[in-house]
Amino acid sequence: GDSVTQMEGPVTLSEEACLTINCTYTATGYPSLFWYVQYPGEGLQLLLKATKADDKGSNKGFEATYRKETTSFHLEKGSVQVSDSAVYFCALDMDSSYKLIFGSGTRLLVRP
Amino acid sequence: NAGVMQNPRHLVRRRGQEARLRCSPMKGHSHVYWYRQLPEEGLKFMVYLQKENIIDESGMPKERFSAEFPKEGPSILRIQQVVRGDSAAYFCASSPKDQMNEQFFGPGTRLTVL
Repeated sequence: GDSVTQMEGPVTLSEEACLTINCTYTATGYPSLFWYVQYPGEGLQLLLKATKADDKGSNKGFEATYRKETTSFHLEKGSVQVSDSAVYFCALDMDSSYKLIFGSGTRLLVRP
Repeated sequence: NAGVMQNPRHLVRRRGQEARLRCSPMKGHSHVYWYRQLPEEGLKFMVYLQKENIIDESGMPKERFSAEFPKEGPSILRIQQVVRGDSAAYFCASSPKDQMNEQFFGPGTRLTVL
């Protein structure tokens, strides 16, 4: 069945370091892809999304490109801040349905 | 603009008791979804509801679990006779009618079964 695999955390970085969180997917068709972020004590928030191959989603300095050839949607940021410390979830959905399929989440800790 | 509200945030139950989790969707949202996150795993879809209707409960365990979204009031996820394996974070999300994959999530309820 459809699934999402994320790199395991925690990922610990110093402030202003570059970030990459890997995400790959398995799907029978052409899903939409999402990154959600969960700050401590809060619900998941949609960070960015891409709906077709080669689309790039971006928000708050984060970017991810939908790569059909490698079935990947890696999250990147050029310079992280302490306030980016959170858990990041990669997700997909097929055919614009309601049934989001999530990866297991990657915890990011940014030290001053 | 209040977001999705869930209560309680933390719930402790002994084995065999009942757990009731509540979710108030965002204003104007008529679609509610429940997800469960077991330790070290991603969120898993449980059920999709509209007012007074269960649309898809394919992710719900066959026994002890039920959900409702009445005409008035919050959506309720009910777990009867809880067992230790029910310990998890339960997240509710809501969406507008025409954007079902643009879901807004609540902070979750962490259920601990002793």
